[in-house]
Amino acid sequence: GAVVSQHPSRVICKSGTSVKIECRSLDFQATTMFWYRQFPKKSLMLMATSNEGSKATYEQGVEKDKFLINHASLTLSTLTVTSAHPEDSSFYICSARAGTGRGSYNEQFFGPGTRLTVL
Amino acid sequence: QQQVKQSPQSLIVQKGGISIINCAYENTAFDYFPWYQQFPGKGPALLIAIRPDVSEKKEGRFTISFNKSAKQFSLHIMDSQPGDSATYFCAASNSNAGGTSYGKLTFGQGTILTVHP
Repeated sequence: GAVVSQHPSRVICKSGTSVKIECRSLDFQATTMFWYRQFPKKSLMLMATSNEGSKATYEQGVEKDKFLINHASLTLSTLTVTSAHPEDSSFYICSARAGTGRGSYNEQFFGPGTRLTVL
Repeated sequence: QQQVKQSPQSLIVQKGGISIINCAYENTAFDYFPWYQQFPGKGPALLIAIRPDVSEKKEGRFTISFNKSAKQFSLHIMDSQPGDSATYFCAASNSNAGGTSYGKLTFGQGTILTVHP
């Protein structure tokens, strides 16, 4: 199957700093990438959808100025948590959906996740 | 109308037994129903998926049963193994949804499966 990577896998930062998480599709071009947040023992909560070359679409209740998403190329999307606070501590997961020609157009391939801890 | 309700919340099965997880949806426009397996500290991985033109799909020990009229679908894990212990999520999406809804997955609440040796 298609491979999606995330970097870093784990990050600890101080309150007030910004953290950037990268999501890469390694062997396919991702026209759309999704960013999710997951709390312990909970389901995935969609934060935003990003299409290459255009602005991200944020879900209701997600602060776009706090969670900056950039999808500059067909293989890379980044999520920057700005001025992080302890309540932003969570497991962040990205997924990528291929354009035409690679598997089911509805299939999303998930990254391994990034554990963010804000002290 | 966008919800997908999943049950049970947790499930304990003996090795060799059958694990059954159920999901129900409301949006009749949903036309893609995947199941994901997630191990602690990892991202979800696609296990098996079905479209509503068939009532059942089997891949190895994993089977999806789909009941379009009841708007329900379920995952059956035959001969459950301790290595199957994980959290399972059902999901649904509408492939004809336009704009920002295209390709979006709506997830169930998750089921924590424990298979005892």
